[in-house]
Amino acid sequence: DARVTQTPRHKVTEMGQEVTMRCQPILGHNTVFWYRQTMMQGLELLAYFRNRAPLDDSGMPKDRFSAEMPDATLATLKIQPSEPRDSAVYFCASGLIPDSGANVLTFGAGSRLTVL
Amino acid sequence: AQKVTQAQTEISVVEKEDVTLDCVYETRDTTYYLFWYKQPPSGELVFLIRRNSFDEQNEISGRYSWNFQKSTSSFNFTITASQVVDSAVYFCALTGYSTLTFGKGTMLLVSP
Repeated sequence: DARVTQTPRHKVTEMGQEVTMRCQPILGHNTVFWYRQTMMQGLELLAYFRNRAPLDDSGMPKDRFSAEMPDATLATLKIQPSEPRDSAVYFCASGLIPDSGANVLTFGAGSRLTVL
Repeated sequence: AQKVTQAQTEISVVEKEDVTLDCVYETRDTTYYLFWYKQPPSGELVFLIRRNSFDEQNEISGRYSWNFQKSTSSFNFTITASQVVDSAVYFCALTGYSTLTFGKGTMLLVSP
């Protein structure tokens, strides 16, 4: 089965440190999403890319978060500086989405971030 | 704007009971897709079903069934003869042509 691979699976860091999460989407998928899951807010969309181009990052705190897709096999989400309120599980998902329809997203296992 | 409401935060049942998870959605799109995802204790999100807005036929897959009613904007999920392995958080989600909007999820606890 094709999988979305996320690293690291768990990360504990101190406030102020830089955190980078990585995602390898399924080969051939053209759309990559970053979601954040917290108890209070549930699953929130942070950003997404189509054919490596950022389409929407309005869900991301711009001052500290950045998302990039340096190539088709790698998406990154960076937090600098990290804060305790960033503690959450970050999910990457990929899908093959045509312009006129919607397709199923496959989610990675998530990166659990704890900022002390 | 799209919105998905899962009013049941947590449901507890005993094994072999039937259970229905409710999902109500709001959208202005005429074409849209509805989904259910399962999140077991291990944490990953597992796709269960996708339904498009033009297909109101109910679907059954083993012990799982889904009831899509456009008139009430609902897409409910029923598990028949629940099992302990069904314990998980279940998310209903909605998309038009871009992003997936999730409900807050319903935690299902099935005890032996």
